[in-house]
Amino acid sequence: QVQLQESGPGLVKPSETLSLTCTVSGGSVSSANYYWSWLRQPPGKGLEWIGYIYFSGSTIYSPSLKSRVTMSVDTSKNHFALKLGSVTAADTALYYCATTRTYCAGGDCYPGGDFDNWGQGALVTVSS
Amino acid sequence: QSALTQPRSVSGSPGQSVTISCTGTSRDVGGYNYVSWYQQHPGKAPKLMIYDVIKRPSGVPDRFSGSRSGTTASLTISGLQADDEADYYCCSYTGTYISYVFGSGTQVTVL
Repeated sequence: QVQLQESGPGLVKPSETLSLTCTVSGGSVSSANYYWSWLRQPPGKGLEWIGYIYFSGSTIYSPSLKSRVTMSVDTSKNHFALKLGSVTAADTALYYCATTRTYCAGGDCYPGGDFDNWGQGALVTVSS
Repeated sequence: QSALTQPRSVSGSPGQSVTISCTGTSRDVGGYNYVSWYQQHPGKAPKLMIYDVIKRPSGVPDRFSGSRSGTTASLTISGLQADDEADYYCCSYTGTYISYVFGSGTQVTVL
């Protein structure tokens, strides 16, 4: 089973860029079997999907965050990354990486509708 | 996009059944077979309990079941156990944009 581990700075200043990495074990980021997802959860609040990236580099981002989000995959390090720019206090949250299974039919592959493996989460606080 | 609507809390005694509702629209819950449910214990990452509306991942007890009627999905926990006490979130794919929307979460209390 794929295991995920988030890492990155726990404190980011307002207006700067939040950067996190998710290291994959028990699987490969080059696999066509998964889309690699990022989600977040502000303290005491609910979950929010940020976006995902496929091994090909194809990305889909949440419309509400699209202008500030960049995701990438590094096959040499078997990890994928999240960058969120121009952060404010509202971006303070527990950030999770997760997998979304891929379904293929007729030669086309597309992401499924759930998040089946999760990292333990990384708390990022935005404060000066 | 708006969050899906869940009750803030539900409760039941051990052995009883509880049902959590998740109300959306025809553009999400009612329009796609991509409804999932997650269990989250305090300080832990969410765990997938139901996917594709009614399917259970390997290892999830059959006490957990999913269903849908129109634009409302439901999670039923039968034979309630102490360890079921947790927050539960529903999630749906939404075709308005290619995106996923979550419910606000329901706290399940075992009395």
